[in-house]
Order: sequence, then C-alpha cells, then structure tokens
Amino acid sequence: QVQLKESGPGLVQPSETLSLTCTVSGFSLTSYSVSWVRQPSGKGPEWMGRMWYDGDTAYNSALKSRLSISRDTSKNQVFLKMNSLQTDDTGTYYCTRESLGYVMDAWGQGASVTVSS
Amino acid sequence: DTVLTQSPALAVSPGERVTISCRASESVSTGMHWYQQKPGQQPKLLIYGASNLESGVPARFSGSGSGTDFTLTIDPVEADDTATYFCQQSWNDPNTFGAGTKLELK
Repeated sequence: QVQLKESGPGLVQPSETLSLTCTVSGFSLTSYSVSWVRQPSGKGPEWMGRMWYDGDTAYNSALKSRLSISRDTSKNQVFLKMNSLQTDDTGTYYCTRESLGYVMDAWGQGASVTVSS
Repeated sequence: DTVLTQSPALAVSPGERVTISCRASESVSTGMHWYQQKPGQQPKLLIYGASNLESGVPARFSGSGSGTDFTLTIDPVEADDTATYFCQQSWNDPNTFGAGTKLELK
C-alpha cells in the first residue's frame, strides 16, 4: 500500500538548517509528485513546495528563498532543506503524495520540529 | 494568496446533519478538497474536486460548491466524526488551506 514516512531531527537551533527526508513506498516518484506541507500546532496546514514527478520543483513564494527540495529516485526518497530557521518555523512537517489536480491523497505521519536554543 | 475562511467550531448531536462551510477570497472553480484530521494524526482526504468522494470514505460525507462557496456535509454524524476539518484549494498558486473547523459531538 501507499506509504510515506518523514524523518529528521526533532530539535533545530535558531538560524540553523532543517533537513528532512521523506521515504515512500507503494508508488513511484517518477509517476507521482510529492509535496511538503507544514502545520503549526493548532493551526491550518501550509503548502511549502513540490517535487514534480518529472524532477522539476515548485515552491511557495513565501518560503522560496530559504527552501530546497530534491530527490533520489533509486532510494525512493524526497528531501527538504530549509535554512535560517526561526521559532515560528516550529510545527509538524508532512510529506504528501499528490494525485491529479494537486489532491493530497496520502500523507506521512509527520515529523515534529521544534526551533529552540 | 487565496484565503480560505472556515467557521472555527461546531457542536452537533449524533445522528444529526452538519454542514461545514469554506469561503474562498477568489474563485477556485472546483479545485476544492476536504480533509479530516483527528488529534495526533495526519490529515486524511475525504472529498476532492469539490464533490468527489475519496475511495473508502463513508457515503455519509459529501461535498458541494463551486467558485467561492463550498460545503462539506456529514449526514448522519457519528461519534467517530469528532475531528478538525480543513478545506484546501489547488486552483490558484500557491495551494492554500483553511484554518479548520473543529467538530465536537454533544
């Protein structure tokens, strides 16, 4: 079945870089796009960016200057790197599979990230 | 960015019909989707394309609307439906989500 799983450090120092990995199974990264979405506690989700099935990327303009998304299809992994983290970047980070029309039809369990010294 | 506005909370009794609304600040055609999120869990897709039921989702859930006004209906509501419901639009860039409607059962 379709599965996505995020991994990465739970605690990041202010001004440092966040690195997260999304490992997928049950589908091919060359057939489906994968998006990263984050959610501050008690708030609505925010779309961060997308790794298209063809290897291209798209970013939320609000985060574009700090964000980079890449992939390794041989390992079925999508990577997120975001620099210059601040306390308001604290939240749960999800990777999601997108089907036609940018519908997020599968979500990982989420990775909790706290930005604190 | 397209802003999606949802009512913060609703309380209903089991067996009743509930409608959860989502209003977009500009037209999103039928590029509106609904998700259910229970505490401590990831969101789950319920409705896509404004009115299409995701596979495996009970037929008690339905969606309607186009343009700027959308509705998620649950009929009848069951105890297990206690959750926060988010709308998401994918018609305009960037994709955006509503702040969520928390559904509580009396």
